[in-house]
Amino acid sequence: SQKIEQNSEALNIQEGKTATLTCNYTNYSPAYLQWYRQDPGRGPVFLLLIRENEKEKRKERLKVTFDTTLKQSLFHITASQPADSATYLCALVDSWGKLQFGAGTQVVVTP
Amino acid sequence: DGGITQSPKYLFRKEGQNVTLSCEQNLNHDAMYWYRQDPGQGLRLIYYSQIVNDFQKGDIAEGYSVSREKKESFPLTVTSAQKNPTAFYLCASNLQGAQGRTEAFFGQGTRLTVV
Repeated sequence: SQKIEQNSEALNIQEGKTATLTCNYTNYSPAYLQWYRQDPGRGPVFLLLIRENEKEKRKERLKVTFDTTLKQSLFHITASQPADSATYLCALVDSWGKLQFGAGTQVVVTP
Repeated sequence: DGGITQSPKYLFRKEGQNVTLSCEQNLNHDAMYWYRQDPGQGLRLIYYSQIVNDFQKGDIAEGYSVSREKKESFPLTVTSAQKNPTAFYLCASNLQGAQGRTEAFFGQGTRLTVV
């Protein structure tokens, strides 16, 4: 079956450090992968999309890598700030066109 | 302003009742989705629609029904057959086409509670 796996343990980091989150998938052949941010009680907000022919994508302090051989994407938040505290979700479109999400990883940035 | 609107924000349902959650978008998006989120859990797909008058079941469709009579609207009905409907419901939409699918936009969610 198709699976999208993210680390369920919360990631606690100190302000200014880099947070690295992992998204692993099985039985998908995605043309692209997306990352979203979700704050408590709100809908997810799109952050970045990376295509299968792109190794790395950056947006301000965010960096995403995509390794289709390892079937893995890494999401980095550099120079983290308390305002970055949220849950981060990765998402893929399956072969039937369904947009599927991982369970998300909570990031807590402490001053 | 373009966006996707869910209503109501909070909804209370008595046992045995059907309730309908509204989702409207003015982004001219082709595809629309309904997800359910339980506390501390990820998003589970209930139904999705890629075109008007057509929709497909997601992973947890039992006890739910949808319609897609207009491109802008994708209401979700939680029926009495859904035994544990208390959850946070999210509607999303995105643009699909030959260039590939794009990012999804989400509504603010509806929190449904059974009383």
